Amino acid sequence: AQTVTQSQPEMSVQEAETVTLSCTYDTSESDYYLFWYKQPPSRQMILVIRQEAYKQQNATENRFSVNFQKAAKSFSLKISDSQLGDAAMYFCAYRSGVDDKIIFGKGTRLHILP
Amino acid sequence: DAGVTQSPTHLIKTRGQQVTLRCSPKSGHDTVSWYQQALGQGPQFIFQYYEEEERQRGNFPDRFSGHQFPNYSSELNVNALLLGDSALYLCASSLVASGGRVDTQYFGPGTRLTVL
Repeated sequence: AQTVTQSQPEMSVQEAETVTLSCTYDTSESDYYLFWYKQPPSRQMILVIRQEAYKQQNATENRFSVNFQKAAKSFSLKISDSQLGDAAMYFCAYRSGVDDKIIFGKGTRLHILP
Repeated sequence: DAGVTQSPTHLIKTRGQQVTLRCSPKSGHDTVSWYQQALGQGPQFIFQYYEEEERQRGNFPDRFSGHQFPNYSSELNVNALLLGDSALYLCASSLVASGGRVDTQYFGPGTRLTVL
């Protein structure tokens, strides 16, 4: 069975600085997708970034980028120029290429210090 | 363009009761998935509905059932509520792409269920 592990329950970063959230996963599949979702106090789960396993190039969305290391089964999220609005719970998630259920990690709570 | 909507926002029930939660997918989406998020945990997949049928199911008991209507909206029903059913219930909508798998899932704001 696939698993997703986020080893950092909480992190803090100074506003305007850069922070990296870690995620590892376990799978025997070759076709899959990885995601980072953000869940602010409003509870709405918002897609931050998505990576297809077959793509070697790391995904980037504005200030958010990933470091996808397929052999190591590692998928970290880098947030550059951190803003107060980035404060939220961040979930790393996995989806198999053969079914649709998303498997989430336990999350990392990110605090932004002004 | 409205995103995924869910109702009600909050709900309080007592043990043994039954509850129905509702979800309207994003415009143009045809698939609805339901997740349970216990406090301090990541969401867990309950099931997915497509073409008014349960397409895939996670590791949840039969007390959890659902329905999808012709307009693609969906209901989640939970019977014989237990204290452990207290959680945030998230609905996610998506569109089945070529190859039969769904594209990116977009989440609603959730329904907070408290069982006393």
